[in-house]
Amino acid sequence: EPEVTQTPSHQVTQMGQEVILRCVPISNHLYFYWYRQILGQKVEFLVSFYNNEISEKSEIFDDQFSVERPDGSNFTLKIRSTKLEDSAMYFCASRSPDVYTEAFFGQGTRLTVV
Amino acid sequence: AQSVTQLGSHVSVSEGALVLLRCNYSSSVPPYLFWYVQYPNQGLQLLLKYTSAATLVKGINGFEAEFKKSETSFHLTKPSAHMSDAAEYFCARSIFGNEKLTFGTGTRLTIIP
Repeated sequence: EPEVTQTPSHQVTQMGQEVILRCVPISNHLYFYWYRQILGQKVEFLVSFYNNEISEKSEIFDDQFSVERPDGSNFTLKIRSTKLEDSAMYFCASRSPDVYTEAFFGQGTRLTVV
Repeated sequence: AQSVTQLGSHVSVSEGALVLLRCNYSSSVPPYLFWYVQYPNQGLQLLLKYTSAATLVKGINGFEAEFKKSETSFHLTKPSAHMSDAAEYFCARSIFGNEKLTFGTGTRLTIIP
């Protein structure tokens, strides 16, 4: 069964460092998303991406964040200068172009900023 | 504002008992509604979805949910709990088929042997 793959599963970084979280969406999907879940809190939308551009972003997704689909398969989330409060589980999701279909989520990357 | 409310952050049921996890939504237009399950240290897996067809939706692992417009609810049920059902359950909403999901705060289900 096709699945969304995220790497790494866990990343520890020092405050102020840049991190790149990687995702390989399901191959025929056209809509891509990043969500995050701070420990003990709900899953929050960060950004959606379609047709090689951001289609919507939340207020969390400030200038420190960026997304890219560099090679037609990977979908990355970059945090330029990490803060302690960026520590969270980050989920990538993708969805097919068909109506009434659900988003498929990856296993997540746990980011710990120290 | 469009939102999803899950009543009860923790629910405990005995093995074999009925599972009822509550979800209410607010939406100015008919929503698409979803239940996702998250097992420990894993990602989000879709249990079931409502997309304006049948109001009673059956999902995986014996779960089902009923869309009640008059109550703005989409509660998740399972007739008989199993130990393997212990997990965190998230109700989520989107307005259109390809829009972002808005999640509830989640309900942690514990099964008592």
